[in-house]
Amino acid sequence: SAVISQKPSRDICQRGTSLTIQCQVDSQVTMMFWYRQQPGQSLTLIATANQGSEATYESGFVIDKFPISRPNLTFSTLTVSNMSPEDSSIYLCSVSAANTGELFFGEGSRLTVL
Amino acid sequence: AQKITQTQPGMFVQEKEAVTLDCTYDTSDPSYGLFWYKQPSSGEMIFLIYQGSYDQQNATEGRYSLNFQKARKSANLVISASQLGDSAMYFCAMREAGGQNFVFGPGTRLSVLP
Repeated sequence: SAVISQKPSRDICQRGTSLTIQCQVDSQVTMMFWYRQQPGQSLTLIATANQGSEATYESGFVIDKFPISRPNLTFSTLTVSNMSPEDSSIYLCSVSAANTGELFFGEGSRLTVL
Repeated sequence: AQKITQTQPGMFVQEKEAVTLDCTYDTSDPSYGLFWYKQPSSGEMIFLIYQGSYDQQNATEGRYSLNFQKARKSANLVISASQLGDSAMYFCAMREAGGQNFVFGPGTRLSVLP
C-alpha cells in the first residue's frame, strides 16, 4: 500500500485567487491522479500526472485552469487558478497499486471559494 | 453512457443487520476490475474490496463481501453486522484493463441506525 499526504487539508479562498495543493507519496510511482469531487457528487478525474512530461487532462479540464507539476516520482502539485465558487470541491490525489490496480487516495483537500 | 450505476442514492439499515448496496456496470472489455470505496464525512476515500473479472469466487474482506454476477454485470457490496461507523458514502468503481482510468459510480449514502 502507499501512504499519501495532501496539503492543505482544507482552505477557504477568495474568488479570483489561486491555490496550490501538494501531494506527497511515500514510494516512487509512475503516475499520479488528481480527482475533483464537487459537493454531493462522485469523483471526476481531472488529469494524470507523469514525471518528466506534461500532464494528461480529461475532457472539460484545461491546463490553464488546473496546472500540474510533477518534479519527481514522489511528489505532485495541482493548482486551482482564478477560483470561483463553482471550484468549491474536495480535490483528491491518488496513485495506483501495481498488482490489483486499486487506487490509494490522499486525505483530500476541501476547498471552499467565497 | 454511464458505465457504473448505483441505483440507491440512500439506504438505511439497523445496527447489527446486513445490507446490500447495488452496483451495475457496463463494459465490453473482457478484463476489468471492480472496486468499492467508503467515504466518511471526513472526505477520505477508503478502499474496501476488489473483484477481478476473471476471479472465480466472490471477494471477501472481513465484514465486506462482493456478490459478483458477471452475466448480469453486477457487483453488489454486502456489509454484514452493520456498525454505526459504517455510516458513509459508498462508491463502486471500475477499471478496464485497456485503460488507466477509474470510473466511479454516483455513490450510495448508507445510514446505520442504532
